[in-house]
Amino acid sequence: EAQVTQNPRYLITVTGKKLTVTCSQNMNHEYMSWYRQDPGLGLRQIYYSMNVEVTDKGDVPEGYKVSRKEKRNFPLILESPSPNQTSLYFCASSLETSGKDEQYFGPGTRLTVT
Amino acid sequence: QKEVEQNSGPLSVPEGAIASLNCTYSDRGSQSFFWYRQYSGKSPELIMSIYSNGDKEDGRFTAQLNKASQYVSLLIRDSQPSDSATYLCAVQNTGGFKTIFGAGTRLFVKA
Repeated sequence: EAQVTQNPRYLITVTGKKLTVTCSQNMNHEYMSWYRQDPGLGLRQIYYSMNVEVTDKGDVPEGYKVSRKEKRNFPLILESPSPNQTSLYFCASSLETSGKDEQYFGPGTRLTVT
Repeated sequence: QKEVEQNSGPLSVPEGAIASLNCTYSDRGSQSFFWYRQYSGKSPELIMSIYSNGDKEDGRFTAQLNKASQYVSLLIRDSQPSDSATYLCAVQNTGGFKTIFGAGTRLFVKA
């Protein structure tokens, strides 16, 4: 089944404890992206990647890191999480970077930082 | 000014009516426009995409784009209770790499 998977789905952690949220797609998509979703603010793009080893900042990259060592994986790293990073996180992928491709979203990761 | 603006709603329509959802955007160079539907607790899924001025129809859904007015809309005909969800307008920048989403409009279809 073609899909985007994220792990974990739910995570409660404490301020400053490094964490990684994994994202994997099995559709051979070139483009991958991370978003956070907060009430009243909608989806905001954190980082995106056009292909392996090519990443760039979205609108809210502060406090996050990403890497794209393999085409299928795009992990999101929080080196020192803070309470303002409590949010619902979505990973997404699309076939190409033409700007006309549908993005397929993962199931989401609900993160709480205390 | 937000880059992509939507009325947050909720928009309430009776079953069988037409639901009209609107979106405005600020980047005049934007090329690609999308409507995603998101049920509560679920991830967004694509409903429609539109790239040129005019109307695009797919079943009960019609997307309308007016680049001069920087305006995108989604019409849902014969609305069903299963259409009750949040509808997200998304705009891709000229390069196609960055996507800006609106905050979404909550739609309730009353049976």
